Amino acid sequence: DTEVTQTPKHLVMGMTNKKSLKCEQHMGHRAMYWYKQKAKKPPELMFVYSYEKLSINESVPSRFSPECPNSSLLNLHLHALQPEDSALYLCASSQEAGPQEQFFGPGTRLTVL
Amino acid sequence: QQPVQSPQAVILREGEDAVINCSSSKALYSVHWYRQKHGEAPVFLMILLKGGEQKGHDKISASFNEKKQQSSLYLTASQLSYSGTYFCGTELRDYKLSFGAGTTVTVRA
Repeated sequence: DTEVTQTPKHLVMGMTNKKSLKCEQHMGHRAMYWYKQKAKKPPELMFVYSYEKLSINESVPSRFSPECPNSSLLNLHLHALQPEDSALYLCASSQEAGPQEQFFGPGTRLTVL
Repeated sequence: QQPVQSPQAVILREGEDAVINCSSSKALYSVHWYRQKHGEAPVFLMILLKGGEQKGHDKISASFNEKKQQSSLYLTASQLSYSGTYFCGTELRDYKLSFGAGTTVTVRA
């Protein structure tokens, strides 16, 4: 199974809502990533988890809260988002953190009203 | 530190060749190349580690010039399936992958 799955595919939320994005992989990868991608822009790294520990936080606002409950699962909890946070949120995984092939999930298209 | 990619866009006819360049002002640990088709996730093409290596994947190959901190992606005898946006990603020793702005490749029959 060489797939990274993400749910939901689409999410619309108000600025006062709390929601979560979910990412799952069953490839035995020990590094997992969250990226944010705006239209016609490259993916921007948000967080890196290595062996279920947060190893990189790219100065992301606290309204985004990542969680790695186990080696296969990665969540992104959202609270009090702004309209400018609307974007495609991509999850990826790799065997280890570092110069490795990253497998991307299809993404969650988030719209903040 | 976002790498600089060029050109921004290229239009090819099937069978033509193209080169996409990626450069950084910092000493690179590795260079990644990904292709993303519209509405889809980025797909890994190849990774080059410092050491000036060259890699190939079917008719797509890449080189990494460590002295110049530059990488080039070569699309040879392009096919319709090569259309998409190509991103180079550069990694310093901190394991943070930073993507260039992308090069949109359109291959026409």
